[in-house]
Amino acid sequence: DTGVSQDPRHKITKRGQNVTFRCDPISEHNRLYWYRQTLGQGPEFLTYFQNEAQLEKSRLLSDRFSAERPKGSFSTLEIQRTEQGDSAMYLCASSRTGVNGEKLFFGSGTQLSVL
Amino acid sequence: AQSVAQPEDQVNVAEGNPLTVKCTYSVSGNPYLFWYVQYPNRGLQFLLKYITGDNLVKGSYGFEAEFNKSQTSFHLKKPSALVSDSALYFCAVRPPGYNKLIFGAGTRLAVHP
Repeated sequence: DTGVSQDPRHKITKRGQNVTFRCDPISEHNRLYWYRQTLGQGPEFLTYFQNEAQLEKSRLLSDRFSAERPKGSFSTLEIQRTEQGDSAMYLCASSRTGVNGEKLFFGSGTQLSVL
Repeated sequence: AQSVAQPEDQVNVAEGNPLTVKCTYSVSGNPYLFWYVQYPNRGLQFLLKYITGDNLVKGSYGFEAEFNKSQTSFHLKKPSALVSDSALYFCAVRPPGYNKLIFGAGTRLAVHP
């Protein structure tokens, strides 16, 4: 169990640029989640995958956001035409279906700063 | 709307004293309940969960939580606090039929020597 890893740890970008984050879940986990956390708030659900299928997207996820998990392993989250309001910590988590309670294992996150 | 409330932004406690971090929820049905802890520059770590059964559940690092269905609460407790327990604590619920967690805003626990 190497844990959930996210890359990069930090990203600074200018408004209007596109950014892409990567998440590598725990290898035997079939579910992968993306959350966003801003200062003083708890994580907010963005989207989740079961294997390669994206099964749910939050209304928070505007058209500028897209996530993929092409082979059911790693996932990418892309934000196009970034805005200052996109500045946040983007968290990835994974879990295994049917395991009691399905607790989520979180990565350390990618901190995005949009200037 | 489904929600989780952590009414205290910060809880201060002296080392060795008992601690309680409060959580209430507004969810239909019987949700799964979780506590996570976040240390600086680290991801959220699972502490404990309630699914069914005994209302008192035990978790990592000596923490426990008490489920109260009538009060829709799931308070986190520890009999004797350590300075190293100082961190940000999040309560979360997984509503029935949902495959996602809904988190509270978090409570910062500060344990003083």
